[in-house]
Amino acid sequence: NAGVTQTPKFQVLKTGQSMTLQCAQDMNHEYMSWYRQDPGMGLRLIHYSVGAGITDQGEVPNGYNVSRSTTEDFPLRLLSAAPSQTSVYFCASSTGTSGLVRGELFFGEGSRLTVL
Amino acid sequence: SQELEQSPQSLIVQEGKNLTINCTSSKTLYGLYWYKQKYGEGLIFLMMLQKGGEEKSHEKITAKLDEKKQQSSLHITASQPSHAGIYLCGADKGSQGNLIFGKGTKLSVKP
Repeated sequence: NAGVTQTPKFQVLKTGQSMTLQCAQDMNHEYMSWYRQDPGMGLRLIHYSVGAGITDQGEVPNGYNVSRSTTEDFPLRLLSAAPSQTSVYFCASSTGTSGLVRGELFFGEGSRLTVL
Repeated sequence: SQELEQSPQSLIVQEGKNLTINCTSSKTLYGLYWYKQKYGEGLIFLMMLQKGGEEKSHEKITAKLDEKKQQSSLHITASQPSHAGIYLCGADKGSQGNLIFGKGTKLSVKP
């Protein structure tokens, strides 16, 4: 059982380049999300999705785009990379239902992005 | 907006010693989660607490949620080098159904 798979694990970009971070889960989870982790800032939510065709913004969505065409996949697109987007990105999924309690999040291994 | 404060930010203990990490919320906690992260890896789920006064244990790690549901503690008994890592608390934001996280506590265990 693969769980949540993120690719690539490492990436170096130049300012202005675009790229897509891939995230796939094989647990049939409806909820998927992207976080970024920065020193001293903790984990911050970028975008999330509660099901195929449904996405919404989190705390820090600027400069990022997402789509959810299938239950399994939730790619994160950087439209025009900036040095401020240097970070470690985590994809997470959950089987939790709507309401007040999301339930356990299953995390990928992370994608380490450097923007020069 | 809701925030989670973790203390201490970092901790160095001698192997075999007990330790406690705290997580305090500015608002009532609906669901409180504890995760562990090793350097360069993803987050591993440890425990989830929902009810005031609830306490859960896994091996030598015990987590509690206080009666007022605004603070949680994570206690490790007889620490081992394998306990080293970053411990993060997370909480449900309520109606939006997303999780927010504290900034983490870095634990080092000296053999």
